[in-house]
Amino acid sequence: QVQLVESGGGVVQPGRSLRLSCAASGFTFSNSALHWVRQAPGKGLEWVAVISYDGSHEFHADSVKGRFTISRDNSKNTLSLQMNNLRAEDTAVYYCAREGGVSIAEASHFDFWGQGTLVTVSS
Amino acid sequence: EIVLTQSPATLSLSPGERATLSCRASQSVSRYLAWYQQKPGQAPRLLIYDASNRATGIPARFSGSGSGTDFTLTISSLEPEDFAVYYCQQRSNWPPLFTFGPGTKVDIK
Repeated sequence: QVQLVESGGGVVQPGRSLRLSCAASGFTFSNSALHWVRQAPGKGLEWVAVISYDGSHEFHADSVKGRFTISRDNSKNTLSLQMNNLRAEDTAVYYCAREGGVSIAEASHFDFWGQGTLVTVSS
Repeated sequence: EIVLTQSPATLSLSPGERATLSCRASQSVSRYLAWYQQKPGQAPRLLIYDASNRATGIPARFSGSGSGTDFTLTISSLEPEDFAVYYCQQRSNWPPLFTFGPGTKVDIK
């Protein structure tokens, strides 16, 4: 069965960096686009970034553009999110999610989600 | 940027009743409208994609409809496990950017 397991969360000071990882199994990783979605405590869902199946295309939300970078390693079935210059408003549970569409051009929904990893930005 | 509005914010119903949740877009979206269910402490779960297609394993009591700017999620007869928060989600044409609505909480009356 599809499994997505996030790691790398923790408490970090404002302005510092953190790298999240998502280990995938149960499907052909190199065939799927992947996303990061976050949820601040007690708030709704916010999409963060998407990367194509082969890593050739990536898109980021305006709220993180220039600070966060999504990447993947298809040889290790791993998705990553490099987060730089963190702010208090980046505090959230970060989920990785598999794209349910057949390509990034047809990307439309998130069909499987991990359980999330909590990032707290605080001094 | 397309903004999604969900109504009502909270829906108080009893088991067995019909739930009708609305999602309205600030401008016409393509068929790329999805619905998710989220329970406390859990990740969201995909219910409906492309406005009306049920995801794998989703019971038939969940159905989606709509096009353009107005979409509806209907739960025909609420089961105890259906009390949760429901989010709609869409994507822009290009670049593919994704947005969620603020959610509708379905709680027990």
